[in-house]
Amino acid sequence: GAGVSQSPSNKVTEKGKDVELRCDPISGHTALYWYRQSLGQGLEFLIYFQGNSAPDKSGLPSDRFSAERTGGSVSTLTIQRTQQEDSAVYLCASSPTGSSGNTIYFGEGSWLTVV
Amino acid sequence: AQSVAQPEDQVNVAEGNPLTVKCTYSVSGNPYLFWYVQYPNRGLQFLLKYITGDNLVKGSYGFEAEFNKSQTSFHLKKPSALVSDSALYFCAVRDMANFNKFYFGSGTKLNVKP
Repeated sequence: GAGVSQSPSNKVTEKGKDVELRCDPISGHTALYWYRQSLGQGLEFLIYFQGNSAPDKSGLPSDRFSAERTGGSVSTLTIQRTQQEDSAVYLCASSPTGSSGNTIYFGEGSWLTVV
Repeated sequence: AQSVAQPEDQVNVAEGNPLTVKCTYSVSGNPYLFWYVQYPNRGLQFLLKYITGDNLVKGSYGFEAEFNKSQTSFHLKKPSALVSDSALYFCAVRDMANFNKFYFGSGTKLNVKP
C-alpha cells in the first residue's frame, strides 16, 4: 500500500479482555516496529521485526504482550487480559533495509482505551 | 548508549517569527538524526534527516535542521512560523551499532500564535 495501515483506528475494550492490533506495512518494507505512546507523551519502543523474526523484543512491557509477523508483511500485536494502564496509542512503523533503510514511516496509530 | 534530549517541553512563538526546536544527542560513532512531526490525533510524519554531508538539512514544509557535531545538537528551525506548524515535534537518532533501534526524544510541543 501507499502507507503504513493500522487497524482498528480506535478500540474501546473492557478490562481483562484480549485485543489484537494489526499493522500492514508499506509494500516491500522488511523492517517493522511497534511503539506505544501514552497521552501526549513520548514514544516507547515495544518490538522490532526483520522479516518474520523478532530480534528485539526488549520493549514488550509484560508477558501479556506478544506480537507476530507472517509472510514478511502484516503484523499483529496482541494484548491479553488488558489493564487500564494499557490505554495508549499503539504506533506501527516500517522501513526498507540496506543503505536506503534509514528512515522509518509511521501509520496513524491504533487508539486503545481500556475501561 | 544512544540517547536524544529535547530540553523544552513547549515552545511558543508568534506567527511570522523564526522558530527553533532544540535537540541534543549522545551516540557512539556517527549519528543518523531525524525529525518527525505529530499533528493532533495523527501518527508521526517524517520531516527531515541528517546522514552525512552538509550540516544544514532541508526538509518538508519549509523546515530545516542544523547538525552541529561539536555541540552534539540537531536543532530544528524555520525562518517564519505558521499557525499550522503547531504540533508535537520529535527528534530521533538511529543506533548505528544496532540498526533496529530508533531512540526518540520526549517531544516538544510547538505553539504558534496568530
